[in-house]
Amino acid sequence: EPEVTQTPSHQVTQMGQEVILRCVPISNHLYFYWYRQILGQKVEFLVSFYNNEISEKSEIFDDQFSVERPDGSNFTLKIRSTKLEDSAMYFCASTLVTGGFSPLHFGNGTRLTVT
Amino acid sequence: GENVEQHPSTLSVQEGDSAVIKCTYSDSASNYFPWYKQELGKRPQLIIDIRSNVGEKKDQRIAVTLNKTAKHFSLHITETQPEDSAVYFCAASRDNAGNMLTFGGGTRLMVKP
Repeated sequence: EPEVTQTPSHQVTQMGQEVILRCVPISNHLYFYWYRQILGQKVEFLVSFYNNEISEKSEIFDDQFSVERPDGSNFTLKIRSTKLEDSAMYFCASTLVTGGFSPLHFGNGTRLTVT
Repeated sequence: GENVEQHPSTLSVQEGDSAVIKCTYSDSASNYFPWYKQELGKRPQLIIDIRSNVGEKKDQRIAVTLNKTAKHFSLHITETQPEDSAVYFCAASRDNAGNMLTFGGGTRLMVKP
């Protein structure tokens, strides 16, 4: 069964540094998402992306965050200047269509640690 | 925006017993309700979902019920096994909200052998 893949599995960075988290969505999928989960807490929506633009974003997704689909296979999340509170597990997901007709399946996540 | 409350936060049952986890939501426009199971250090995995045009859905030992009027939905696991031990999250979204799932706070289920 095809899966969403994410790299790296763990990223350690210093406060103020830029990080790029990478995702390869399932190949025929059209909608892409980033969610995050602070340790021990619930999963939170960050952003959805379709047709090369952001469809929805949450309050968490401020100007420090950006997403990009640089080529036909990758989907990236960039954090420009990381803060300690950005430490979390970041999950990428993709769906063929939006809504309940196409359930959301997450990648294995990237654990971001900001020191 | 949507707010999803989940109870209990922890649940301990004996192997073979049933487990019930309950969620309430605030946005009456929400019409899609998935449940995810997350083992320690792993990704959330979809185990069952329900749309608002049905009141109940079952898949082997797992069932979900939905009460749209009361805005609550529940996960039922029968004949629990130790491998059911995990954190379970409910979520809600609207079809026109781009799969913007709002998650509940999670329930840590422990099944004692």
